[in-house]
Amino acid sequence: KQEVTQIPAALSVPEGENLVLNCSFTDSAIYNLQWFRQDPGKGLTSLLLIQSSQREQTSGRLNASLDKSSGRSTLYIAASQPGDSATYLCAVIKGGAQKLVFGQGTRLTINP
Amino acid sequence: DAGVTQSPTHLIKTRGQQVTLRCSPKSGHDTVSWYQQALGQGPQFIFQYYEEEERQRGNFPDRFSGHQFPNYSSELNVNALLLGDSALYLCASSLVGRASGEQYFGPGTRLTVT
Repeated sequence: KQEVTQIPAALSVPEGENLVLNCSFTDSAIYNLQWFRQDPGKGLTSLLLIQSSQREQTSGRLNASLDKSSGRSTLYIAASQPGDSATYLCAVIKGGAQKLVFGQGTRLTINP
Repeated sequence: DAGVTQSPTHLIKTRGQQVTLRCSPKSGHDTVSWYQQALGQGPQFIFQYYEEEERQRGNFPDRFSGHQFPNYSSELNVNALLLGDSALYLCASSLVGRASGEQYFGPGTRLTVT
């Protein structure tokens, strides 16, 4: 059974810092990994998707990496801003039926 | 290009009642998945519909059922509501056969069972 873990559960940093969020998964036979952002009480916004054949993806100040062999992914946020405050979720998907398995998320607070 | 839409936004029901939630997928998508997200937790997969049939199901009881219509929209039905069914219900759409398998989520329906 695939399990996804995100550490830490919560993180608070001052504005302007670079930071890394971690995601680990137990079954390396994944098809892709997706990072999402969730604002309180809202739906999920897809940030980055990394296919199993890729090592990383970048979008603006965000960079996500994937190491299937070690079962790890990281989301790097450069020059953090108060608007980045949200919960960040990672999810993995196996081939076939496209079922996402989520971690519990990291609640990020950027202090002005 | 319309994204994933869900209705209603919020819903309050009493234990034992039944509820129906609705989802319209992103334009061009043919697959709809439903997830339940309890407070402070990651979303949990309920089931997925493709070609009007349930394609895969998570670890949820038969009280949870669904339907997909010819226009790809979908409904989630929950019977005999329990207090523990209170959660944010998320709908996601995707395109079967697309290599990336990227899923797009709607804003969710907040269900409160009293």
